[in-house]
Amino acid sequence: EDKVVQSPLSLVVHEGDTVTLNCSYEVTNFRSLLWYKQEKKAPTFLFMLTSSGIEKKSGRLSSILDKKELFSILNITATQTGDSAIYLCAVREAAGNKLTFGGGTRVLVKP
Amino acid sequence: EPEVTQTPSHQVTQMGQEVILRCVPISNHLYFYWYRQILGQKVEFLVSFYNNEISEKSEIFDDQFSVERPDGSNFTLKIRSTKLEDSAMYFCASSDRATYGYTFGSGTRLTVV
Repeated sequence: EDKVVQSPLSLVVHEGDTVTLNCSYEVTNFRSLLWYKQEKKAPTFLFMLTSSGIEKKSGRLSSILDKKELFSILNITATQTGDSAIYLCAVREAAGNKLTFGGGTRVLVKP
Repeated sequence: EPEVTQTPSHQVTQMGQEVILRCVPISNHLYFYWYRQILGQKVEFLVSFYNNEISEKSEIFDDQFSVERPDGSNFTLKIRSTKLEDSAMYFCASSDRATYGYTFGSGTRLTVV
């Protein structure tokens, strides 16, 4: 079964809109949750979250983790066309160092 | 900014042939990984490598796969006898600590015909 589930699968917005991406997970021994942006090829690292309730912020992007409800959200405010990408969520369990990825959310920002 | 470099960017091979995918991780990183992404599917973990040995591998990483760090800079993934279902984008990644986010390379698209 899927351990990491992202929603929505895709969305289309216009420049200036705000988007909220969801990632829910179900792992035995959670250690951290990571967000990546995948434009053409390589996923590029955005955030790593380990503690509940502490928002991480980088420019127009922010993310927060809820360890009780087992989910994270990624917000993008004042979207730009350059934000168009697939956003990947991944979870690292306490045992080992591998990442388990969700299926991603494809975001298209129209001018 | 330091990068993980992968070569080639695209490789086409015939079924049954051996392929070697090459990666140069970031120089001061100690943990190395291979992931793959079949077209339209999730990114999947293959193997992690630390201190010159495999530290973890997935069920995908069977006997036809092997990894090697032949010198101080390169990290390779070998697929001994390729199958059609091995067609995918293969990503190499590295990190300087086990608890940090990875840096991914730009990938090698492997097409098995």
